[in-house]
Amino acid sequence: QVQLVESGGGLVKPGGSLRLSCVASGFTFSDYYMTWIRQSPGKGLEWLSYIGPGGGSISYADSVKGRFTISRDNAKNSLFLQMNSLRAEDTAVYYCAKQARIPNNWGQGTLVTVSS
Amino acid sequence: DVVMTQSPLSLPVTLGQPASISCRSSQGLVYSDGSTYVNWFQQRPGQSPRRLIYQVSTRDSGVPDRFSGSGSGTDFTLKISRVEAEDVGVYYCMQGTHWPFTFGPGTKVDIK
Repeated sequence: QVQLVESGGGLVKPGGSLRLSCVASGFTFSDYYMTWIRQSPGKGLEWLSYIGPGGGSISYADSVKGRFTISRDNAKNSLFLQMNSLRAEDTAVYYCAKQARIPNNWGQGTLVTVSS
Repeated sequence: DVVMTQSPLSLPVTLGQPASISCRSSQGLVYSDGSTYVNWFQQRPGQSPRRLIYQVSTRDSGVPDRFSGSGSGTDFTLKISRVEAEDVGVYYCMQGTHWPFTFGPGTKVDIK
């Protein structure tokens, strides 16, 4: 069955960096768009970024453009989100999901807390 | 950005009774390929969101047939024909037509 497992979250100071990972199994990872979405109490569910199957089609929400970078390693069935210049408002649970326009099979999420 | 508005935001329901959630978008959601990318998600307490319905009305595998989606243009609806205890949670609509994709604020369904 399809499984997505996120990791890499934690407590980081404002201005710091984190790299989130999402390991996929149960489907042909290299065939699908992949997505990062976050959920915070104050802002609900927010789309962050998606990446095409070969890594050539990428989009970012304005709130993270220039600070976050999405990437993937199809050989390792892995999706990444490099997060730099973190702010308090980036505090949220971060989910990866399979597909973009119809996201499915969300992972369990990884909590990112940005606080001094 | 496309704004997705849901109503009601809170929906107390009686077990076995129907429930309906409305989702309205600030602009039309037909994509250039002719599809309408409106999806519905259920988030049970303590769990990740789970997709129930995609492209307005297609029910995901394993989703009970008491859930149905409908709509067109800017008005969409999720219906539960007979609410069961396991349906408690928050329901979100989402549009995947115009970037950035956006979610509604969520409708909290609980049992009266």
